[in-house]
Amino acid sequence: GQQLNQSPQSMFIQEGEDVSMNCTSSSIFNTWLWYKQDPGEGPVLLIALYKAGELTSNGRLTAQFGITRKDSFLNISASIPSDVGIYFCAGVTDSWGKLQFGAGTQVVVTP
Amino acid sequence: NAGVTQTPKFQVLKTGQSMTLQCAQDMNHEYMSWYRQDPGMGLRLIHYSVGAGITDQGEVPNGYNVSRSTTEDFPLRLLSAAPSQTSVYFCASSYSPASGEQFFGPGTRLTVL
Repeated sequence: GQQLNQSPQSMFIQEGEDVSMNCTSSSIFNTWLWYKQDPGEGPVLLIALYKAGELTSNGRLTAQFGITRKDSFLNISASIPSDVGIYFCAGVTDSWGKLQFGAGTQVVVTP
Repeated sequence: NAGVTQTPKFQVLKTGQSMTLQCAQDMNHEYMSWYRQDPGMGLRLIHYSVGAGITDQGEVPNGYNVSRSTTEDFPLRLLSAAPSQTSVYFCASSYSPASGEQFFGPGTRLTVL
């Protein structure tokens, strides 16, 4: 099946720093999504991208849908303690909306 | 709205035991799904349903059964638990599955001894 490679696996950053993570696929996706999972909770959608080359922002978050449709990037600017969690990329694999998830990027923010 | 609810929150089983993980949503979503989350592997789709009476297999369906008799409920059954089924299980629902936006429950942490 389709494989999503997400990197880095984990990041330890200081409050105020910017964070970047990315996801690559061996196959094309028509929709890329970024979810965040807080400790002990289920994932919550942060940003959805529907068009190749699209750049979308949500507050301090910015995500891009790669022009080849095989990759996506997420940036978090000026990190704060509540940014702690696991960030997942996901691609929609078919018209029924089945999702393929990356392995996640664990973000730890230190004061 | 309560959103997506899951019970129990934690469960310990012995190998060979059976149990049902409950999932309910009050958003009138047609699409519901079950995932398992294992360290370093992200979330993997077990089963999904596009409406009452309709279910289909996902990426890792072996050892699990589902049914969808109502729009609100989508239980996941383990018929004979195995240690390999130790995981965190998430139920999700969506009003527009093609959009990719899914609403997740808080999860059930299952340990099989």
